[in-house]
Amino acid sequence: SQTIHQWPATLVQPVGSPLSLECTVEGTSNPNLYWYRQAAGRGLQLLFYSVGIGQISSEVPQNLSASRPQDRQFILSSKKLLLSDSGFYLCAWSVAGTNSNQPQHFGDGTRLSIL
Amino acid sequence: KDQVFQPSTVASSEGAVVEIFCNHSVSNAYNFFWYLHFPGCAPRLLVKGSKPSQQGRYNMTYERFSSSLLILQVREADAAVYYCACSNTGKLIFGQGTTLQVKP
Repeated sequence: SQTIHQWPATLVQPVGSPLSLECTVEGTSNPNLYWYRQAAGRGLQLLFYSVGIGQISSEVPQNLSASRPQDRQFILSSKKLLLSDSGFYLCAWSVAGTNSNQPQHFGDGTRLSIL
Repeated sequence: KDQVFQPSTVASSEGAVVEIFCNHSVSNAYNFFWYLHFPGCAPRLLVKGSKPSQQGRYNMTYERFSSSLLILQVREADAAVYYCACSNTGKLIFGQGTTLQVKP
């Protein structure tokens, strides 16, 4: 069966420090991968998605970047964190392709607090 | 603009049937997805599709541009955020989430 792992579960970082959140998927090949953010009191905002190694699409302009160095690894990064980067970050995967009937499966998320 | 709309809050009493409504303006979207999200945890898919369907206590109604999630025999433990989403070429577009409040 497929599983998705995100780490760390919680992270407290000072303003201006770098960030690296990692997400890996097991049990499937060439998945579509996604990074979402849930800011306090807000819904799920899609940040990035990837349909393959090295292929990243950004949904909103921001202070963050994403990379996909391996088929089942998705990394969310920042060179200098801002206070507004605080939130709950979720990684998700779905079956490859653009079939509109495929759900996304989420990891347990990372709670990021910027001080 | 591709958007999904749902109420911010819905209140219910224990044992009742609660309905959470959703509609969208997403081009070429034919499937709805309903997720349950407890804060700090992974959102969990409840029910999905392009026709009415049921999974346990969760019923999904379906119209071309709208869907409702009905939760039968609501319990206090059902208090959470419920997300409606539509799919466009493989990407899910989420609504802002509906917080379900359950009164004992």
